[in-house]
Amino acid sequence: GAVVSQHPSRVICKSGTSVKIECRSLDFQATTMFWYRQFPKQSLMLMATSNEGSKATYEQGVEKDKFLINHASLTLSTLTVTSAHPEDSSFYICSARGPTSFLILETQYFGPGTRLLVL
Amino acid sequence: KNEVEQSPQNLTAQEGEFITINCSYSVGISALHWLQQHPGGGIVSLFMLSSGKKKHGRLIATINIQEKHSSLHITASHPRDSAVYICAVAKYGGSQGNLIFGKGTKLSVKP
Repeated sequence: GAVVSQHPSRVICKSGTSVKIECRSLDFQATTMFWYRQFPKQSLMLMATSNEGSKATYEQGVEKDKFLINHASLTLSTLTVTSAHPEDSSFYICSARGPTSFLILETQYFGPGTRLLVL
Repeated sequence: KNEVEQSPQNLTAQEGEFITINCSYSVGISALHWLQQHPGGGIVSLFMLSSGKKKHGRLIATINIQEKHSSLHITASHPRDSAVYICAVAKYGGSQGNLIFGKGTKLSVKP
């Protein structure tokens, strides 16, 4: 089946530093990748939708200058948390969707997630 | 009111029991996903369905589009099934397959 990886799986950083999280589709080309955030005991919340070769679309309330998304290739999207603060500590999950066809509905393959702790 | 509601929120079962987790939604959808989130956080996609019923091993997912309801069943439950099970819907006509997630059902299966 389709595999999506994330790196790193866990990161601890100091307040004010920037952190980059990578999301890769390992065995398929992902035309669209999604970035989600999950706070403890909460549902996943979509942060942004990333299409290869174009600017990401951010959900309301998500600062695009703080959460920089780059989808430079069909297998890689990166999320950079700039000037991270303790309130950015969360579980960040990406998912990837391959090219759709009329036979296949919305299929998203989820990465394992990255746990960010900002001290 | 949330657009996706799951019940129960928490469920404890004995090994071997038949388990049912329910999901109701209030919007038109193009697809419904059942996901499993392990204690470490990683998410596994179990099913994606838009009608009828799907089966994979001990897992069965059903959906009734008219009633806007889906169920996830686990037969012969095992402690390794302990996880959070999440229902998520792809809103019909929504942008780029944006999923709306339920809050999850935490399942604990005791040996």
